[in-house]
Amino acid sequence: QVQLVQSGAEVREPGASVKVSCQASGYTFTTSYMHWVRQAPGQGLEWMGIINPRINSPVHAQKFHGRVTLTRDTSTGTGYMELSSLRSDDTAVYYCARMASSDDAFDVWGQGTLVTVSS
Amino acid sequence: DIQLTQSPSFLSASVGDRVTITCRASQGISSYLAWYQQKPGKAPKLLIYAASTLQTGVPSRFSGSGSGTEFTLTISSLQPEDFATFYCQQLNRYPYTFGQGTKLEIK
Repeated sequence: QVQLVQSGAEVREPGASVKVSCQASGYTFTTSYMHWVRQAPGQGLEWMGIINPRINSPVHAQKFHGRVTLTRDTSTGTGYMELSSLRSDDTAVYYCARMASSDDAFDVWGQGTLVTVSS
Repeated sequence: DIQLTQSPSFLSASVGDRVTITCRASQGISSYLAWYQQKPGKAPKLLIYAASTLQTGVPSRFSGSGSGTEFTLTISSLQPEDFATFYCQQLNRYPYTFGQGTKLEIK
């Protein structure tokens, strides 16, 4: 079945970087968009960005001021989200999600990756 | 950025009740709106996309309507498994913003 499997929880100190992976299976990786969404503890959902795996054209939310980098490896069907210059308020669960086409929504989600930023 | 405001933020209801959640956009988004359900410790689940299209496998007691700036999610007869937090999301323009959420609790 279609699924997205994310890498495990991470702990980082302030100022460090973290890279989360999201491996797709059950569908052709390059035919769907991959989005990244985060959720701080007890808070709502926040969209971070999108990558089109076929043409490698990432777009990220301006609020991250270039701290976020979205990449993909088509040979393994894996997307990556790297967040740099981490702060305590970056502590959150990070999700990847699939969007099959521009007329759809996020129909498949990864299980989430908890990133904790603490000294 | 397009702001989405959900109302109410909290809703207390009983099994069998009909409930409606509203999502208002700060500018027109045509029908590029989705609804998700999220249970504690779980990823969100897509319920409705394109404002009114039911995602495959979602029970027909869920329905969505609206276009432009005002949208609604209706659950026709609440079931015990429906109690969760619901989010709307606009997919008209980046960044793809979410509403603040509506927590549906058992009365």
